[in-house]
Amino acid sequence: KAGVTQTPRYLIKTRGQQVTLSCSPISGHRSVSWYQQTPGQGLQFLFEYFSETQRNKGNFPGRFSGRQFSNSRSEMNVSTLELGDSALYLCASSLGQTNEQFFGPGTRLTVL
Amino acid sequence: SQQGEEDPQALSIQEGENATMNCSYKTSINNLQWYRQNSGRGLVHLILIRSNEREKHSGRLRVTLDTSKKSSSLLITASRAADTASYFCAGGAVTGGGNKLTFGTGTQLKVEL
Repeated sequence: KAGVTQTPRYLIKTRGQQVTLSCSPISGHRSVSWYQQTPGQGLQFLFEYFSETQRNKGNFPGRFSGRQFSNSRSEMNVSTLELGDSALYLCASSLGQTNEQFFGPGTRLTVL
Repeated sequence: SQQGEEDPQALSIQEGENATMNCSYKTSINNLQWYRQNSGRGLVHLILIRSNEREKHSGRLRVTLDTSKKSSSLLITASRAADTASYFCAGGAVTGGGNKLTFGTGTQLKVEL
């Protein structure tokens, strides 16, 4: 099976812009989670989607949003970008609850 | 917020030696997972131990879980240069009907030839 894919791999944006990141899970996986990784805060949970519904959300401002499509592909959007949003954004898929999560290579976002 | 601390933050050993990393977590979990990350790339799942298990093996990996102390350890035996990476523990919990991982701070392992 193909692994989790994320596009784009790298992005450079300026403050105030918005960005959309995409994630395609492993075939058959219905749960998609998003994480932010920064040197200062480490790996932090953003949100999880299952069957097009957000099941769980981390402690991030409303500028961070996401959605999941009927084919389980997911997108996350960050509006009004801030310098502090520069990070590696990781997507992970799993079969469901209490299962291991399989991560994509990440999208490295740089906000100038 | 981070799940907890990992100890040590950095570890440097010689090839062939064993590497032990410890993880403490703060909240209730359904399982404890360990991941490896090479140079800021994606995370690779290593092993999952459920909350009702005490020890699990997978190849050169041995994981223990002590729920009474809210701690876990990862042992890599006979380490290789290719094991050089950052290792993260993550507590898996079902909250709000959903699946959520809360990561530790990570241990940077360097295996030297």
